[in-house]
Parts: sequence; structure tokens; C-alpha cells
Amino acid sequence: ETGVTQTPRHLVMGMTNKKSLKCEQHLGHNAMYWYKQSAKKPLELMFVYSLEERVENNSVPSRFSPECPNSSHLFLHLHTLQPEDSALYLCASSRYSGTVNEKLFFGSGTQLSVL
Amino acid sequence: AQSVTQPDIHITVSEGASLELRCNYSYGATPYLFWYVQSPGQGLQLLLKYFSGDTLVQGIKGFEAEFKRSQSSFNLRKPSVHWSDAAEYFCAVDPHSGNTPLVFGKGTRLSVIA
Repeated sequence: ETGVTQTPRHLVMGMTNKKSLKCEQHLGHNAMYWYKQSAKKPLELMFVYSLEERVENNSVPSRFSPECPNSSHLFLHLHTLQPEDSALYLCASSRYSGTVNEKLFFGSGTQLSVL
Repeated sequence: AQSVTQPDIHITVSEGASLELRCNYSYGATPYLFWYVQSPGQGLQLLLKYFSGDTLVQGIKGFEAEFKRSQSSFNLRKPSVHWSDAAEYFCAVDPHSGNTPLVFGKGTRLSVIA
């Protein structure tokens, strides 16, 4: 148990659906991240939030929309996804962003399948 | 740009045998290096990290890694593998760049056979 909880664990959706992924941490961390993990590819950083403000967006398509209402919660809203968006989506948190020596705590991920 | 290469996609070892997973990095300055492990259906867990000092670092679960600047490598080792070590292993480097926390390699999947 890392202290970072993601729901749902598995999600199957059609290309016209709208769904949301949820991440929650009660570690007192100020930074939260969304990563995408596809087969045979490195982990791709999607978004970084620091103190509830988005500080990095790595050229992610607009069909992915993050939301960070407070420092403990992070959402990823999904709409009109494509089959190639099927992947494991990992949430992570750390005490601060932009600081070396910060340990990342990962959730177990949401396995997303887009049909 | 910073990059991390894990040359082995999949490795199979016998239980009790020794293990070495390779990691090479491309980075101009002194890197900060990490190894993470991901068990099936789980997120990533930090095994160990190197920032400075002793080039041989000890981690959890009996793992160690050695930083070799001349070879730009940070290989992960374990003297005797247990069946529970079967997982995906990721090497990562801190790019010292803005708010990007880590750059990851593609991972090496470890299978353990009896």
C-alpha cells in the first residue's frame, strides 16, 4: 500500500463515452502526476500538478482533461478516446515537484481499454 | 536530451540464480538514477536510488545497483533471485529539468523459473 489510491482498477469504454479516472492521496503531498504506460514503451508523463496548479502538460491530446480540485485529489476526464489510448494510467504523488531527490509514490493504476 | 536504455526486454532466470539487469543513460551532468519495480497489476515501487557518494547502493528486497560513470551504466543486481521477484523493472533518471520528475526506460520483464 503506497498511500495513493486509483479508481477504477479497470475500465472499458467506447470511443463516444465520457469517463473519469480518480486518484487520491493522503500523504500530505503537494505534487501529483498522471503517467501513461503502454506496452513496450517507456512511461510517458502526461500532466504535473503542483499545489493544485498544472505546471506541465506534455503535448497530451485534448481528449484527456485533468482536474486537481485540491492537493489530495486528481482526476483525468476522458472523452472521445481512440483505441490507441488503451493503456495503464498511473497516478503518482510526491512532496514537491521540480525538486531532485523526491520520491514518487505510485498508485496501482487504471487499466483502460477503448473499444 | 536525457534518455534511459534498458537493452533487455525480457529475462528469465532460475530461482536461486544471480541476476543483473542492465541500464544505460544518456545525460551530460551527474545523474540521479533510480530503479523501480512493478508487480503485475500494481504501480511502481522504488527499489533504490543514487545521487552521489558511494557508487554501490543498496536497496530493498536484497537488490543493489552500481553506478559506473565511465560506462554510463547503473545496473541492478541481486545475488539470489526468489520467485516473488518476477516483475517488471524500470530504470529512471532525474532530468534536472523543470517539473518533470523522472525519465523512465522501457522496462525489463523478469521471469523466474523453478
